[in-house]
Amino acid sequence: SQKIEQNSEALNIQEGKTATLTCNYTNYSPAYLQWYRQDPGRGPVFLLLIRENEKEKRKERLKVTFDTTLKQSLFHITASQPADSATYLCAPTYNYGQNFVFGPGTRLSVLP
Amino acid sequence: DTEVTQTPKHLVMGMTNKKSLKCEQHMGHRAMYWYKQKAKKPPELMFVYSYEKLSINESVPSRFSPECPNSSLLNLHLHALQPEDSALYLCASSQPGPAKLFFGSGTQLSVL
Repeated sequence: SQKIEQNSEALNIQEGKTATLTCNYTNYSPAYLQWYRQDPGRGPVFLLLIRENEKEKRKERLKVTFDTTLKQSLFHITASQPADSATYLCAPTYNYGQNFVFGPGTRLSVLP
Repeated sequence: DTEVTQTPKHLVMGMTNKKSLKCEQHMGHRAMYWYKQKAKKPPELMFVYSYEKLSINESVPSRFSPECPNSSLLNLHLHALQPEDSALYLCASSQPGPAKLFFGSGTQLSVL
């Protein structure tokens, strides 16, 4: 069965630095991959979507890449701020279906 | 209106009780979802309704019974729950894929 991994359970970085989060999947490539942010006690919030034929997507300080050869997506936050501290979840989606399954998440802490 | 509204926000119930969780959206989305989330874990898909019909049931125990009365409303009926069912229950909606999910803030359920 498909397995989704995110690089680490927790990541601490200094304010102003670039945070890089990793999402790896096994077996076949998803049709597209989404990234969400979740704050404690709240539902996830959509950030970015990248399709299998796209290499890179950007939105303000956020950038997502998708490498189907490596079976990996990277999520970057540049010029990170303490307000970026949250859990970040990746969600690979297959065949444009609705069985959105999330990776385990990475809890990012940006230290002032 | 880009909100998904869930009620109640908190619920405490005994193992013999019957209760219902409610979810509402007015974005015209035709897919609605129930997720269960335990502490420090990602959301886990339970059910998906597409055009008011149940399209995905991820082998959820029958003590959880979903209902979609119309395209804006989603209910989750609870009966004879176990303490291990205590979790954050999240509702989400989307257009049929590829589409981002909009989540509510969830119902924090405690089963005593």
